Amino acid sequence: SQQGEEDPQALSIQEGENATMNCSYKTSINNLQWYRQNSGRGLVHLILIRSNEREKHSGRLRVTLDTSKKSSSLLITASRAADTASYFCATGMYTGTASKLTFGTGTRLQVTL
Amino acid sequence: ETGVTQTPRHLVMGMTNKKSLKCEQHLGHNAMYWYKQSAKKPLELMFVYNFKEQTENNSVPSRFSPECPNSSHLFLHLHTLQPEDSALYLCASSSDSNYGYTFGSGTRLTVV
Repeated sequence: SQQGEEDPQALSIQEGENATMNCSYKTSINNLQWYRQNSGRGLVHLILIRSNEREKHSGRLRVTLDTSKKSSSLLITASRAADTASYFCATGMYTGTASKLTFGTGTRLQVTL
Repeated sequence: ETGVTQTPRHLVMGMTNKKSLKCEQHLGHNAMYWYKQSAKKPLELMFVYNFKEQTENNSVPSRFSPECPNSSHLFLHLHTLQPEDSALYLCASSSDSNYGYTFGSGTRLTVV
């Protein structure tokens, strides 16, 4: 069943601008992760934020998590044309035997020169 | 190259064919996963293996049959598929509940 929903579904910005994507989910989680996918390829893990964390940074990426609102946001600062891709949030739950990720529908980001 | 290798990259098969998808990782991860990605739909978890034991089967039709002979290899055996099974099939691995997955590049499957 779908857990995360990203908003917006598509985003078009110019190079140098910031891009913000939001994710909402429905059930309790152990962590929330963001992934990037270039057209038709595999997903690349960007960043993981644990349920007891509120904010995390990695290079030009900033992720926030609000467990009371069951929402997260991904901010990409100073975007580049190479950031053009689809971005997915995924909620992580450890089931006792393995970690299970449930993905949202993704935000398609287009960065133009 | 992510450390998770999927073969073949592309596969076209008829509805009566039998084929297999292969996934291999040498990252030392204990868990491996099959996901299906169809157009305009979220990624769907199909199967989970932990230390080569299947821990989850997400109501996947029996025409998809997974096999995990060891912690480094995962197969997805396909037979009598339907055109709606055409999708990108992604394999992933992980080592810990608080680390991300490493995905392969996927197999683009077309059923004709």
